[in-house]
Amino acid sequence: DQQVKQNSPSLSVQEGRISILNCDYTNSMFDYFLWYKKYPAEGPTFLISISSIKDKNEDGRFTVFLNKSAKHLSLHIVPSQPGDSAVYFCAASAYPNTGNQFYFGTGTSLTVIP
Amino acid sequence: DTAVSQTPKYLVTQMGNDKSIKCEQNLGHDTMYWYKQDSKKFLKIMFSYNNKELIINETVPNRFSPKSPDKAHLNLHINSLELGDSAVYFCASSQNRLTYEQYFGPGTRLTVT
Repeated sequence: DQQVKQNSPSLSVQEGRISILNCDYTNSMFDYFLWYKKYPAEGPTFLISISSIKDKNEDGRFTVFLNKSAKHLSLHIVPSQPGDSAVYFCAASAYPNTGNQFYFGTGTSLTVIP
Repeated sequence: DTAVSQTPKYLVTQMGNDKSIKCEQNLGHDTMYWYKQDSKKFLKIMFSYNNKELIINETVPNRFSPKSPDKAHLNLHINSLELGDSAVYFCASSQNRLTYEQYFGPGTRLTVT
């Protein structure tokens, strides 16, 4: 049973515009969320995270929004750059997370068109 | 200088064989993980070790056995390989079992024929 879902397998955006990647989850015990970015033939790399006590976290061009009532989070990239073209995974962990166990979505492939 | 490395990068083998994938991290981290990414791109945790102690053992066939000779290494041995084992296997590490950020290796693409 997939507890973290990314329903858009792909997204194309013009350079300079905003990219919005979405993620939905089903487990109300999830209390920490991360976004990872993955280039082909490489492992995922950590991008940004958010705790359930916040509804927004910002790091440069990347902002993650959390809507706990809707069990939804989104990653905004502004402005989008061609180097942002990659697969983006969201991941969630449930409290208590003594083993640092995360549940991943299936990813959204972002293409930023120059 | 690669932080988390895996060998081999590609592995093609026949059904019934036994194979191992090696993972090493030079970050000084206490916790290491094995993930499987299947054909549907679903990344799922298999095992986690903290200071050589098994702390996560998801529902994985007994044919899969992790081994951690020291905290910098976590190897994955697979017995009697099956077609369904074909996937990309990622190793990862984190500073400790409470640190959320994980550092991933480049992955090992296993193809069972």
